[in-house]
Amino acid sequence: GENVEQHPSTLSVQEGDSAVIKCTYSDSASNYFPWYKQELGKGPQLIIDIRSNVGEKKDQRIAVTLNKTAKHFSLHITETQPEDSAVYFCAASIEAAGNKLTFGGGTRVLVKP
Amino acid sequence: EAQVTQNPRYLITVTGKKLTVTCSQNMNHEYMSWYRQDPGLGLRQIYYSMNVEVTDKGDVPEGYKVSRKEKRNFPLILESPSPNQTSLYFCASSILAGGPDNEQFFGPGTRLTVL
Repeated sequence: GENVEQHPSTLSVQEGDSAVIKCTYSDSASNYFPWYKQELGKGPQLIIDIRSNVGEKKDQRIAVTLNKTAKHFSLHITETQPEDSAVYFCAASIEAAGNKLTFGGGTRVLVKP
Repeated sequence: EAQVTQNPRYLITVTGKKLTVTCSQNMNHEYMSWYRQDPGLGLRQIYYSMNVEVTDKGDVPEGYKVSRKEKRNFPLILESPSPNQTSLYFCASSILAGGPDNEQFFGPGTRLTVL
């Protein structure tokens, strides 16, 4: 089955700097890659996703890149703000095979003011 | 307000005492799923349901049961809880399974401790 690895497990950045989280996946059939943000005491919430027919996607200060050949994808947060502090999860799935998400282990991001 | 609700939010119980965690969504979603979250392991799928009366195992189904008698409800049942089921549990739902309407919406979580 699919295996997703996520690095780093913790990330501390200064407010205004950029943050990058990287994930690798094992199943070349995976074609949908969402990123979730989990704030303290809450459930994960989708912040951005990318499908395998696209190499990059941006939404304001966040962007995701996908390298299908290398089987890795990354989340980029620019101009970080204190409210970006949270745990971030990457995931992978095969859309035609239902909605089963395989998650990475998570990255705890701390933005220091 | 469109949402996924779970009850209870916190539960401390003892080994072997049957319990049920309820999950309900008010978005008319077809797909529902249960995950457990453990440190360093991310979220792992326990069971999922593509529609009413259709359920299937995820990656870690041992020790759990589910049912989907109504579209909005998807309870998680632990017949004989054990300490290794101490975890944070999330229910999620999506409009459909697969395709552009597959964004999963998560509930607030249930923290379960089995002594």
